[in-house]
Amino acid sequence: SQTIHQWPATLVQPVGSPLSLECTVEGTSNPNLYWYRQAAGRGLQLLFYSVGIGQISSEVPQNLSASRPQDRQFILSSKKLLLSDSGFYLCAWSTQGLAGIKNIQYFGAGTRLSVL
Amino acid sequence: SQKIEQNSEALNIQEGKTATLTCNYTNYSPAYLQWYRQDPGRGPVFLLLIRENEKEKRKERLKVTFDTTLKQSLFHITASQPADSATYLCALPNYGQNFVFGPGTRLSVLP
Repeated sequence: SQTIHQWPATLVQPVGSPLSLECTVEGTSNPNLYWYRQAAGRGLQLLFYSVGIGQISSEVPQNLSASRPQDRQFILSSKKLLLSDSGFYLCAWSTQGLAGIKNIQYFGAGTRLSVL
Repeated sequence: SQKIEQNSEALNIQEGKTATLTCNYTNYSPAYLQWYRQDPGRGPVFLLLIRENEKEKRKERLKVTFDTTLKQSLFHITASQPADSATYLCALPNYGQNFVFGPGTRLSVLP
């Protein structure tokens, strides 16, 4: 069966420090991978998605970047964190498919990031 | 791109009653629509998918309808229980392999 691992669960970082959040998927190959951010009491904001190794699409221009060095590994990074980067970060995967075909998203447990 | 509205930020109902949550979208009608459940501090979990040619979909105590004329989906939980308390999100395919999620409705089922 497929599983998704996301770590760390909680992170407190000072403003200006770097960030690296990692997400890995097991039990499937060539998944679509996604990074979302959820501010307190708000909906999910898509940050990045990837349909293959080295292929990254950015949805929101900001202080963050993403990389996909391996098929089932997705990394969210920042060189210098801002206060506004605080939030709940979620990684998700879905199967590749044509638009209109069932395409369920499976989420990790999330990382609660506090930038102080 | 799509914009999604969910009828209320929070909904309180009495145990045993039917909860009805609304999802409205603004642009083109998607090929399908999904509903997810999110518990505090956790990632969303997929519940149901309904296609554009399906009027209704059921799973145990859950029922989803999809009206492409109204650009609306309704999500019902019958015989609600306190364990159903959570935030419920609707999601639509946006373009390519992307999704857009609604802001969610926080449901509280009171014993």
